[in-house]
Amino acid sequence: GAVVSQHPSWVICKSGTSVKIECRSLDFQATTMFWYRQFPKQSLMLMATSNEGSKATYEQGVEKDKFLINHASLTLSTLTVTSAHPEDSSFYICSASGSVHEQFFGPGTRLTVL
Amino acid sequence: AQTVTQSQPEMSVQEAETVTLSCTYDTSESDYYLFWYKQPPSRQMILVIRQEAYKQQNATENRFSVNFQKAAKSFSLKISDSQLGDAAMYFCAYRTRTYNTDKLIFGTGTRLQVFP
Repeated sequence: GAVVSQHPSWVICKSGTSVKIECRSLDFQATTMFWYRQFPKQSLMLMATSNEGSKATYEQGVEKDKFLINHASLTLSTLTVTSAHPEDSSFYICSASGSVHEQFFGPGTRLTVL
Repeated sequence: AQTVTQSQPEMSVQEAETVTLSCTYDTSESDYYLFWYKQPPSRQMILVIRQEAYKQQNATENRFSVNFQKAAKSFSLKISDSQLGDAAMYFCAYRTRTYNTDKLIFGTGTRLQVFP
């Protein structure tokens, strides 16, 4: 149980385009979802926390207009990287928590912006 | 604010031997959770072990055990009978129980290499 999926697992896009990453909790209701960014050989950096049906809470230094987060249902959250640039290239990980208050992590999405 | 420190960027161990990864944290709270996560080359985060601060007994999961020293704010992970599959990044993490949030605070990680 407690499986979280992410789609796509990897994506390559041109500079200036927008990319959407989906995060789904497959077998539980996720009241809260978290989005992280991870640079090579570094720790996970929390970008934002989203609760179902409400606006996401962004961490200090994270551009809200650049990284749009939508948590429309108890099983789906999306991260849209708008007008992506090469510096946005990174590994993005989502996690979800529900009634047991434990974070379950997705497998991550590698974004490469050319 | 809470902080988590992992002072060992890299560690290595021989197969079948025992290794201990260090983690210290800083908090003014009395009730919280501590976790160790493993991130193998696939980059999938896997929960290794969890400790609730109010429990004095150290958590154990098969070959993995912790040494939780609340007064010293130390939370080390011991891996016994190390296996090649234990090679990964290991992250220590803190979560409050005082506030209504599941937010995790991660350390910088320790890369564990296992030699045959």
